[in-house]
Amino acid sequence: SQQGEEDPQALSIQEGENATMNCSYKTSINNLQWYRQNSGRGLVHLILIRSNEREKHSGRLRVTLDTSKKSSSLLITASRAADTASYFCATVFISSGSARQLTFGSGTQLTVLP
Amino acid sequence: DTAVSQTPKYLVTQMGNDKSIKCEQNLGHDTMYWYKQDSKKFLKIMFSYNNKELIINETVPNRFSPKSPDKAHLNLHINSLELGDSAVYFCASSRKGLAGGIGEQYFGPGTRLTVT
Repeated sequence: SQQGEEDPQALSIQEGENATMNCSYKTSINNLQWYRQNSGRGLVHLILIRSNEREKHSGRLRVTLDTSKKSSSLLITASRAADTASYFCATVFISSGSARQLTFGSGTQLTVLP
Repeated sequence: DTAVSQTPKYLVTQMGNDKSIKCEQNLGHDTMYWYKQDSKKFLKIMFSYNNKELIINETVPNRFSPKSPDKAHLNLHINSLELGDSAVYFCASSRKGLAGGIGEQYFGPGTRLTVT
């Protein structure tokens, strides 16, 4: 399977702390994306990082990409209770002919305690 | 101003029935998708479709078929429903990304299908 694996599966922190989630994948990628899913809702795109980029920021989010290790991390700084959600990495992998599908990881359930 | 909408939100039906889930996007995107999310939250692509190409995940049973009346709609039709089809189904859309890849996807709110 070419899906990503996320680590940890579950993370519980106090409000104000930083949260770090990791994602590993198996094949060469075109880009890697992170999504958030609140309970009972659809996924919301957070950030996209291309294979030639190493780091990207968006507000309190910081994403890194290490293509040599086939891994990415998502850092959420100064977490809030509203950040409680499942976080997924998704890769657009390069296959013969096309790179038109997202392959999702297993997700990290983040709980931020007030 | 909903970007991607799905109906119904909940669908409860019996084994053997045929059902459809509708999806509409008003973002002007050229590609739409259907995903299945199981009870462990694992999300799996079922179809991706634009007006030129349908890509089917080979693991999807042929009881499932996407139907697109126009660029803004991609409905999912399911024949002869089985217990294992119970899941949350998400529709999504995106623009074609750079270098043939795909960019960010916009997801609908999901349809929770329960087969009894």
